[in-house]
Amino acid sequence: QKEVEQNSGPLSVPEGAIASLNCTYSDRVSQSFFWYRQYSGKSPELIMSIYSNGDKEDGRFTAQLNKASQYVSLLIRDSQPSDSATYLCAVATISNFGNEKLTFGTGTRLTIIP
Amino acid sequence: DVKVTQSSRYLVKRTGEKVFLECVQDMDHENMFWYRQDPGLGLRLIYFSYDVKMKEKGDIPEGYSVSREKKERFSLILESASTNQTSMYLCASTPGGASREQYFGPGTRLTVT
Repeated sequence: QKEVEQNSGPLSVPEGAIASLNCTYSDRVSQSFFWYRQYSGKSPELIMSIYSNGDKEDGRFTAQLNKASQYVSLLIRDSQPSDSATYLCAVATISNFGNEKLTFGTGTRLTIIP
Repeated sequence: DVKVTQSSRYLVKRTGEKVFLECVQDMDHENMFWYRQDPGLGLRLIYFSYDVKMKEKGDIPEGYSVSREKKERFSLILESASTNQTSMYLCASTPGGASREQYFGPGTRLTVT
């Protein structure tokens, strides 16, 4: 069983609409969750982090976390063509030696249609 | 601005060769990570390091080793390259634990023929 699962997509959303990206994780003790954006041919860059249950908003982006359901999501409001990218969900987990590491999902490719 | 650099953007090696991929960060970060990224498999952690001369295996360490002799430099070594190690290799660093933002290098596209 994969530790972090995302809908692989691709996901197509009209410009101006809300894009919804979902992620589930298996490690119940995880406390830190991240969304990275990766443009084609580029490296991932962090766009959102969330640590507590509920919503966290940053501009057009909202991250939602539900630890009981082991679910984290990213909403992008007023989607723009520049939002077209692959979105990676990442969860901080603890290694066998007690060090923190990130486990990534396989990513969801999002295309915003003008 | 944090800068993470990798020694090569593209690399072509032959099966059986020893391959060195280098990563350098200029922000005095304690933690450094090596990932590989493959279509459909996402980013997978190969090795990471929380201090000089300290290393820990990630999820897919087989066929790889690492070296961290200086804080700013983290090297990934393929002892005997194989075709299944053809991939995009990404290095990242972070000032604290993995819960902090990870800054990624530009990546090295390695092809093993």
